[in-house]
Amino acid sequence: GIQVEQSPPDLILQEGANSTLRCNFSDSVNNLQWFHQNPWGQLINLFYIPSGTKQNGRLSATTVATERYSLLYISSSQTTDSGVYFCAGPDNTDKLIFGTGTRLQVFP
Amino acid sequence: ETGVTQSPTHLIKTRGQQVTLRCSSQSGHNTVSWYQQALGQGPQFIFQYYREEENGRGNFPPRFSGLQFPNYSSELNVNALELDDSALYLCASSLDGHNEQFFGPGTRLTVL
Repeated sequence: GIQVEQSPPDLILQEGANSTLRCNFSDSVNNLQWFHQNPWGQLINLFYIPSGTKQNGRLSATTVATERYSLLYISSSQTTDSGVYFCAGPDNTDKLIFGTGTRLQVFP
Repeated sequence: ETGVTQSPTHLIKTRGQQVTLRCSSQSGHNTVSWYQQALGQGPQFIFQYYREEENGRGNFPPRFSGLQFPNYSSELNVNALELDDSALYLCASSLDGHNEQFFGPGTRLTVL
């Protein structure tokens, strides 16, 4: 099955800073999702992005399917951005395979 | 449009007991997937139900079982609970299984 690697594992930022989170896949995937897990455990959908670039407010994501990676950009970070960010892609049976996550802490 | 809901929110059980967790899918979705998330790790796929039939299973023992009902809601049953079953259990719904998945708030299970 596919393997998903995320980097960096931990990120500490001051409010207002920008950051880039990376997700690498061991094999091609036909879609990819980015999630933010809040402190209560809820997984919030950020992007569903098989390829190309999408933007939603201060967040944007780019997936380069041919090179098997995706990037999540967070601009002008806020304390409410803190939490764990996961990327996930389906294997050949459509079950989502998750990375180990990037833990982001934003301080005022 | 109603999102994915799960019940209960928290649950405490002792080793050897049985537990049932419930999930209501987002309106219009016919597929429910269940995941187990241990502390500090990413969610791990347990199984998926599509139109009331099991449609894929992860590396979990048979004491993890499930059901999907005609309204597409679902149950996850775990028999003979072990300490390592302590985790956050997440369900996700989607349309036809291979599209974007949306997650519920989770059930936090503690086994003592």
